Amino acid sequence: DTAVSQTPKYLVTQMGNDKSIKCEQNLGHDTMYWYKQDSKKFLKIMFSYNNKELIINETVPNRFSPKSPDKAHLNLHINSLELGDSAVYFCASSPLAAGRMEQYFGPGTRLTVT
Amino acid sequence: AQSVTQPDIHITVSEGASLELRCNYSYGATPYLFWYVQSPGQGLQLLLKYFSGDTLVQGIKGFEAESKRSQSTFNLRKPSVHWSDAAEYFCAVGLNTGFQKLVFGTGTRLLVSP
Repeated sequence: DTAVSQTPKYLVTQMGNDKSIKCEQNLGHDTMYWYKQDSKKFLKIMFSYNNKELIINETVPNRFSPKSPDKAHLNLHINSLELGDSAVYFCASSPLAAGRMEQYFGPGTRLTVT
Repeated sequence: AQSVTQPDIHITVSEGASLELRCNYSYGATPYLFWYVQSPGQGLQLLLKYFSGDTLVQGIKGFEAESKRSQSTFNLRKPSVHWSDAAEYFCAVGLNTGFQKLVFGTGTRLLVSP
């Protein structure tokens, strides 16, 4: 009965590789997000999708490409990985309703680029 | 620009003592306000939220927060801290400028001493 799930939990890869992280939510929410948390725990939004449509893209390099096959899934594909991409990536979802802006987070994917 | 400041990077509290974590925000309109907790290696869990109404809101795990709009603060409190409360705490402001977006503070790490 996990609300927001991500796979994999850990990802170790070499520079230059391409990798994907998957996210699924079973909360019936319309909006999903990707966040990056750096080594100092700072959380920054990367993307937001509403009903499969991209609505926020926060100056993220175009090596990062989100894809939403349906409103319950939001995947993140990263091309040509760089050392600076090492971080924890969180997926989140939120209902799109008046007074309901809270977001529910997945457990995170720790990406290590060597 | 909108911003969220958590002035304390670390706080150490004795078990059983009271706790107050500070959060200051800068936002022109009435924001949604949130506190999240992140235990080591975990995702973010919503503790409580505020948008309007009673300025004192109750959350999970015995936490409460008070919104003081005149001071632009949303401090988190707990009367008696338990060792299991040791975690990273994030304050966030919700922006609803045509799309939903959370802006997070830099977090406060809570350490609980025996």
